[in-house]
Parts: sequence; structure tokens; C-alpha cells
Amino acid sequence: SAVISQKPSRDICQRGTSLTIQCQVDSQVTMMFWYRQQPGQSLTLIATANQGSEATYESGFVIDKFPISRPNLTFSTLTVSNMSPEDSSIYLCSVEGRATNYGYTFGSGTRLTVV
Amino acid sequence: AQSVTQLGSHVSVSEGALVLLRCNYSSSVPPYLFWYVQYPNQGLQLLLKYTTGATLVKGINGFEAEFKKSETSFHLTKPSAHMSDAAEYFCAVKDSGAGSYQLTFGKGTKLSVIP
Repeated sequence: SAVISQKPSRDICQRGTSLTIQCQVDSQVTMMFWYRQQPGQSLTLIATANQGSEATYESGFVIDKFPISRPNLTFSTLTVSNMSPEDSSIYLCSVEGRATNYGYTFGSGTRLTVV
Repeated sequence: AQSVTQLGSHVSVSEGALVLLRCNYSSSVPPYLFWYVQYPNQGLQLLLKYTTGATLVKGINGFEAEFKKSETSFHLTKPSAHMSDAAEYFCAVKDSGAGSYQLTFGKGTKLSVIP
């Protein structure tokens, strides 16, 4: 199954700044997803990122706040912009496709604290 | 829209006892169903999934789940709990239709194993 490397694993950031999270997959995958897991909560889908097209955002998430890049079939980035303490969460990337036997494989997550 | 209900946010079992974690979904069409486990400070690991075929699905670490269409349920079981099973467990569903990629997660059940 596909292996995902997500960086950074954790960070503490000042409010008003931005953080870019990287997701690298060891296989080519069509579908990549970004999720947010707020403290003590379940996972919420932020957006779906397909290579060669604009990301599709879920209700409540906008591109200005969470810009996403997907330059090729093995890599994506999520930026959390103009951060506030409410953005403190775990952010996870996920992939799905033949490389994952059509299950969804998740990265280990980025634990973000905004102070 | 899909919804997933996990009964019990926290379940405690004794080591060696049966583990039963409940999951019910709302869908008129049988979806694809998943169970994930999240250990502290880690990402999500796929335990098992149901797409089509046999309704009793065996996964990793001795876990299994049975899809019951009439009950719209996909409960997770393990005959004998180990200390290493202590973690948070998430049930997730995906529409089985073509072009549908979004996973909808339940709120999670935290499993404690008592020595």
C-alpha cells in the first residue's frame, strides 16, 4: 500500500502567520485529500486535490484560507493562512486509488498549535 | 448526505474480553464502509473495509466487522482485547456511486483496555 510522508509533524506558530504542510506519496495517486481534526473531534474534509485541476473545497473552507497545490501525482501542499488560535488542529493528508487498494491511506498528520 | 453514528464515545473492556464498537450509517444505498484506528499522536490506520461481496470482513490485528444492510450497521469486533488495542476508532462511509470520493467519519470511540 502507498506510504505517505507528511511534514512537518508538528509546529507552533504565531497568529497572523502562515504554515505550509507537505504531503509526499511513494506511489502515483489520482485522489488526494486534506482533512482537519480539531481537538477531541472527528475528521472533517477540507478539500479534494486532483493533479492538474483546482482543488474542490467543502462547505466552510475557502481557497484564500487554505490554498492547496497539487503539482504532480505524488505531492501536494496545504497552506493554513493568516492563522488564529482556532486553526489549532491536526491536519492530515489522505490518498485513495489503486496504490491503496482503493482504501484511503492517511499521513501521520501535522499537529498545529497557534499562539 | 451521509451520516455515521458511533454509539459510545468511550468504551472500556478488560484485557481478554470481547471488544464491540458500534457503527450505524444513514444511506438508502449500501455505501462503502471503513474502520480506522488512531493511536495517540499518530495518523489513521485502516483496519478493514467493506465494498462488495462477503458481509463479514476480516481486518488487521484480529479485528472483524459485519455489514448488516437491514440494520444499516457495521459493528467492529475482536474476540479478545489486548492492551495494545487501546486507541481511538473511527467508522467512516463513502457513497458507492461513481465519482463519489468523500469519506464521512463518525465522531470516534475511544477504547480503553483494563489490565
